[in-house]
Amino acid sequence: SYELTQPPSVSVSPGQTASITCSGDKLGDKYACWYQHKPGQSPVLVIYEHTKRRSGIPERFSGSNSGNTATLTISGTQAMDEADYYCQAWDSSTVIFGGGTKLTVL
Amino acid sequence: ELQLVESGGGLVQPGGSLRLSCAASGFTFSSYEMNWVRQAPGKGLEWVSYISISSSTIYYADSVKGRFTISRDNAKKSLYLQMNSLRAEDTAVYYCARVWFGTTNNYYYYYMDVWGKGTTVTVSS
Repeated sequence: SYELTQPPSVSVSPGQTASITCSGDKLGDKYACWYQHKPGQSPVLVIYEHTKRRSGIPERFSGSNSGNTATLTISGTQAMDEADYYCQAWDSSTVIFGGGTKLTVL
Repeated sequence: ELQLVESGGGLVQPGGSLRLSCAASGFTFSSYEMNWVRQAPGKGLEWVSYISISSSTIYYADSVKGRFTISRDNAKKSLYLQMNSLRAEDTAVYYCARVWFGTTNNYYYYYMDVWGKGTTVTVSS
């Protein structure tokens, strides 16, 4: 079965750039999207079709794709960005989520 | 305001059944595909099931296939998940979400842009 691999955790200082990767076989042949999920809240779509920012999402969030890896980049990270982030794609009649990355802003 | 509200969660014994509902408002429900996603305690997001606009196409995760049934009533603007033969590992917060699914540039896209707040299902004796 298809898998998406994310680092379990990423730490960043306020104002710095955070990068979260999502790797999967031939991921470049599928569109990945990214969700932000804070405790006690519903997940929020941040990026779709690899690079498109959802309306209302701050410009500091961006997405990219290269080969087998999709990357979510947060420029000028703020304390409010601390959350779990999940990548997700479609493959063979199934929706796959990455394992999630806990972003800590310290 | 775009809104999805789940209901029907609760405590159920192993082997029991539960029916979740998701009420939509603020958008034309009959024009969108829908799905269910769950999150077990301390775990990540797990996709459960998808249903097309006309209910003609349905997909399930292997973990629930044969036990769960997704359905929708466009006239009532509602999505459902019938869960049978429940197991302890089905314990989770269940979210319904609006889906965008298709192809562009010969690649499949699938993403969920509106989510409910979730309903909690606990399977325990």
